[in-house]
Amino acid sequence: KNQVEQSPQSLIILEGKNCTLQCNYTVSPFSNLRWYKQDTGRGPVSLTIMTFSENTKSNGRYTATLDADTKQSSLHITASQLSDSASYICVVNQAGTALIFGKGTTLSVSS
Amino acid sequence: GAVVSQHPSWVICKSGTSVKIECRSLDFQATTMFWYRQFPKQSLMLMATSNEGSKATYEQGVEKDKFLINHASLTLSTLTVTSAHPEDSSFYICSAVDRAYGYTFGSGTRLTVV
Repeated sequence: KNQVEQSPQSLIILEGKNCTLQCNYTVSPFSNLRWYKQDTGRGPVSLTIMTFSENTKSNGRYTATLDADTKQSSLHITASQLSDSASYICVVNQAGTALIFGKGTTLSVSS
Repeated sequence: GAVVSQHPSWVICKSGTSVKIECRSLDFQATTMFWYRQFPKQSLMLMATSNEGSKATYEQGVEKDKFLINHASLTLSTLTVTSAHPEDSSFYICSAVDRAYGYTFGSGTRLTVV
């Protein structure tokens, strides 16, 4: 069964700290993996997109990694800010079909 | 990057009335758009795929007569929730695919049926 599982479900960190969110998937055939940030009451905004051959991709303080062999991805947030508080969604594009969404990790950054 | 505009951002309607939500691709043409529904603390659930010039493809369990989709042009898809009931209250999000930027999502519409 094609699934995308994210951990942890929720996370609370202090402002300025780093954190890493995990994504494991069983989607096949694989096309690409995306990380989105979704603020409460808003639509998801793309952070990174990685294809099979890409191991790492950065977007400012966000760095995503992909291990296509183990079917794992991570999103690392450096020097967190209050504005990073949001839901982070891992999405896998199954080749030839629509997107498969993880349930997201809710990140709360406190001062 | 690609921009998808969704309108309205929120709407409150009476039970039994219909509500139309618009999704526009502002700087690119989208032959295919997608409509999602999201419940609190849940991920996005695909409702239907909107195809320009043809009928939408609905996911299993989604009532096509309840959720009418029209994709009349390459930049506009609409979702009409007909005879809305309180259980239809949810967050509705559209997305469109652009070759350069991939999937881009609208900002969502919060529907509350009272």
